[in-house]
Amino acid sequence: GDSVTQMEGPVTLSEEAFLTINCTYTATGYPSLFWYVQYPGEGLQLLLKATKADDKGSNKGFEATYRKETTSFHLEKGSVQVSDSAVYFCALSPNNAGNMLTFGGGTRLMVKP
Amino acid sequence: SAVISQKPSRDICQRGTSLTIQCQVDSQVTMMFWYRQQPGQSLTLIATANQGSEATYESGFVIDKFPISRPNLTFSTLTVSNMSPEDSSIYLCSVAGQTGAFTEAFFGQGTRLTVV
Repeated sequence: GDSVTQMEGPVTLSEEAFLTINCTYTATGYPSLFWYVQYPGEGLQLLLKATKADDKGSNKGFEATYRKETTSFHLEKGSVQVSDSAVYFCALSPNNAGNMLTFGGGTRLMVKP
Repeated sequence: SAVISQKPSRDICQRGTSLTIQCQVDSQVTMMFWYRQQPGQSLTLIATANQGSEATYESGFVIDKFPISRPNLTFSTLTVSNMSPEDSSIYLCSVAGQTGAFTEAFFGQGTRLTVV
């Protein structure tokens, strides 16, 4: 079945550091790929998405590119802020509807001032 | 977008009892989804609930343990039956909604369940 693997955390960075959270997937067909974020005490929110190969999703300074050749969807941000501290989940959907999601294990990011 | 309300937000239950979690959506949706997030772990899809038909369960989840109701297009319930401490998790309701031309998943705030 489908699966998503992302780097384990926690990831601890200083403010303004560069962030990469690796995500690779295994799926049949052409899944859609997502990054979700869960801020402390809040629900899960969609951060960005990509629905086909070579698409780049971006939001709030975060970016991820759908790489079919490497089955990857790594999350990057050039300069993190303390407010980015959260748990980040990579996920895939077998269709374009963004449902029936398969999630990675989540990566906790802690940004220190 | 879709706004999802879940009740209760948290509960502490005795083993052997059952808890029913309610999920209310502010718009009509065809499919609703229930996920479980065990402590320190990721989310796992429990089942897909369509109005007017039996829920479809993922591998490892069965109707006797997690009965689901879907009486209309804006409401669903998940019951966690005969609970054990291993059922301690956050349970989340999700729907697919439209954001521009794209359909994405929206999540409720979750129900944090502790079984003692």
